[in-house]
Amino acid sequence: DSGVTQTPKHLITATGQRVTLRCSPRSGDLSVYWYQQSLDQGLQFLIQYYNGEERAKGNILERFSAQQFPDLHSELNLSSLELGDSALYFCASSVGAHLNTGELFFGEGSRLTVL
Amino acid sequence: AQSVTQLGSHVSVSEGALVLLRCNYSSSVPPYLFWYVQYPNQGLQLLLKYTSAATLVKGINGFEAEFKKSETSFHLTKPSAHMSDAAEYFCAVTPSGAGSYQLTFGKGTKLSVIP
Repeated sequence: DSGVTQTPKHLITATGQRVTLRCSPRSGDLSVYWYQQSLDQGLQFLIQYYNGEERAKGNILERFSAQQFPDLHSELNLSSLELGDSALYFCASSVGAHLNTGELFFGEGSRLTVL
Repeated sequence: AQSVTQLGSHVSVSEGALVLLRCNYSSSVPPYLFWYVQYPNQGLQLLLKYTSAATLVKGINGFEAEFKKSETSFHLTKPSAHMSDAAEYFCAVTPSGAGSYQLTFGKGTKLSVIP
């Protein structure tokens, strides 16, 4: 158990809909990262938050947004869903803002299926 | 920009045989390198990491990796495979030094262990 909690574990929805994925980081971790894992693209970095502020953006679509709340949990919002958004979405957390000083701890992921 | 290439999307070894998973990196600055393991229906777990100290890095579960700058490689090895090693393995890279936010993953290598 990494200590990172993601909900829901599975989600099935239709094209055009909007969903919210939730992540609670390990106790004491200030950074939250979101990754998308799909068969064709592999693991893609989406976005990072540190202590409530956005720190880095990767390959995140404009239809996607995220935020980190004062209690440090984070939500990833996916809107106007398309079939290609079906993937496993991982949240990871770390203590500091920089990857080179620490380790990423991953949750078990939220599997999104868009029909 | 940095990237990693994992040679072989699928590797099969016999139980007790040597495990060798290949990773080559491309980075314009000195990198930090990581190997993560993903068991079925689970998140990623850190196996080991190279952060410019010793070039031979020992990790959990008997795995080790050697950083070879001249070959731009960071191959993962284990002397004797166990059935429990069957999983998917990901090599990842991030620039060394302060300010590194993004971990770039390879496509992954799925390891099968034959009894």
